[in-house]
Amino acid sequence: SQELEQSPQSLIVQEGKNLTINCTSSKTLYGLYWYKQKYGEGLIFLMMLQKGGEEKSHEKITAKLDEKKQQSSLHITASQPSHAGIYLCGADDTGNQFYFGTGTSLTVIP
Amino acid sequence: KAGVTQTPRYLIKTRGQQVTLSCSPISGHRSVSWYQQTPGQGLQFLFEYFSETQRNKGNFPGRFSGRQFSNSRSEMNVSTLELGDSALYLCASSPNLQGDNEQFFGPGTRLTVL
Repeated sequence: SQELEQSPQSLIVQEGKNLTINCTSSKTLYGLYWYKQKYGEGLIFLMMLQKGGEEKSHEKITAKLDEKKQQSSLHITASQPSHAGIYLCGADDTGNQFYFGTGTSLTVIP
Repeated sequence: KAGVTQTPRYLIKTRGQQVTLSCSPISGHRSVSWYQQTPGQGLQFLFEYFSETQRNKGNFPGRFSGRQFSNSRSEMNVSTLELGDSALYLCASSPNLQGDNEQFFGPGTRLTVL
């Protein structure tokens, strides 16, 4: 089965700082999704990456999938309190079962 | 378009009881997936239904079951509840099979087993 390891587990940053969250897979990724979750609520889709080397941006969030397609990073520029939450990467393995990463909890201090 | 809705939002049950959770997907979406989220295990896949058929199943005991109706609404049932079943249960819908598209998540049902 596929395993997705995220680092760091938690992150506390000052507002305005940049940060990066990593997601490493035990297998080749054929589709990598990033979601954000507010504590105790549902998940909000951020981005999907499918091709090695692909990079997507939305507002101040940029996600990349490395060439070998086993790692993805999520970068937030000039963080704001609204960015706080749990970030989860997710992927579908060849068995068509969807796996989520271990999650990264982000706190942004005003 | 209305989002994914889940009912009830909160539920308290005792050990040994059974529970049924409901999920209404976004109109036109044919796939509904269920997930269990706990602090210890994180977010884990339970099963996926597509066109009223269970397509995939995660590593959960047979006490966890589900079904999907012709209008794509789905229910999840847990029988003989255990304390460890306390969790946030999330459902997600997508136009086609999960993995082909992004999934849209509902707000979740918080189940507490006493």
